[in-house]
Amino acid sequence: ETGVTQTPRHLVMGMTNKKSLKCEQHLGHNAMYWYKQSAKKPLELMFVYSLEERVENNSVPSRFSPECPNSSHLFLHLHTLQPEDSALYLCASSPADGSSYNEQFFGPGTRLTVL
Amino acid sequence: LAKTTQPISMDSYEGQEVNITCSHNNIATNDYITWYQQFPSQGPRFIIQGYKTKVTNEVASLFIPADRKSSTLSLPRVSLSDTAVYYCLVGLLRGGYQKVTFGTGTKLQVIP
Repeated sequence: ETGVTQTPRHLVMGMTNKKSLKCEQHLGHNAMYWYKQSAKKPLELMFVYSLEERVENNSVPSRFSPECPNSSHLFLHLHTLQPEDSALYLCASSPADGSSYNEQFFGPGTRLTVL
Repeated sequence: LAKTTQPISMDSYEGQEVNITCSHNNIATNDYITWYQQFPSQGPRFIIQGYKTKVTNEVASLFIPADRKSSTLSLPRVSLSDTAVYYCLVGLLRGGYQKVTFGTGTKLQVIP
């Protein structure tokens, strides 16, 4: 247990569906991240929120829409996805006080399959 | 962001010490070096972090030479449960967030 939870753990959706991934951290961190990990590829950073403000959008297609309503919760809204979007989606958080320089705490991920 | 280069894969027998080296030639003065471990279908897990010389914790040791252009993660007496992908990252997180780049990592296979 890392203190970061993600739901659902598995998701199968059609290309016309709309779904959302949820991430919650219980660590009091102020920065949260979405990563995508496709088979046999490195983790790709998608979005970063710091103090509830989006500070990074790594050229992610608009069919992925993040939302950070507060410092403990992060959502990734999905619509009209493509089969190549099938991947493991990981959420992470980190403290913003400089106490731990590069340590991000990752959730278990959501395994997404787009049919 | 500094780019890192690691071997793609390594094999080791149980009980042996494993050393994984990472190159980061363009590391910046304020950058720290961090290593993560990832098991299949799980998120990466922080192992160790250092700036220079040697750092040791209950899991691993990290050796950093004076020029800091490389680093070596040392895992003592590996077991089957150490089979995982190991990532080396370079960067700095302070007062906000860090846009880190995960490379392809080193896939360690521990053999009985």
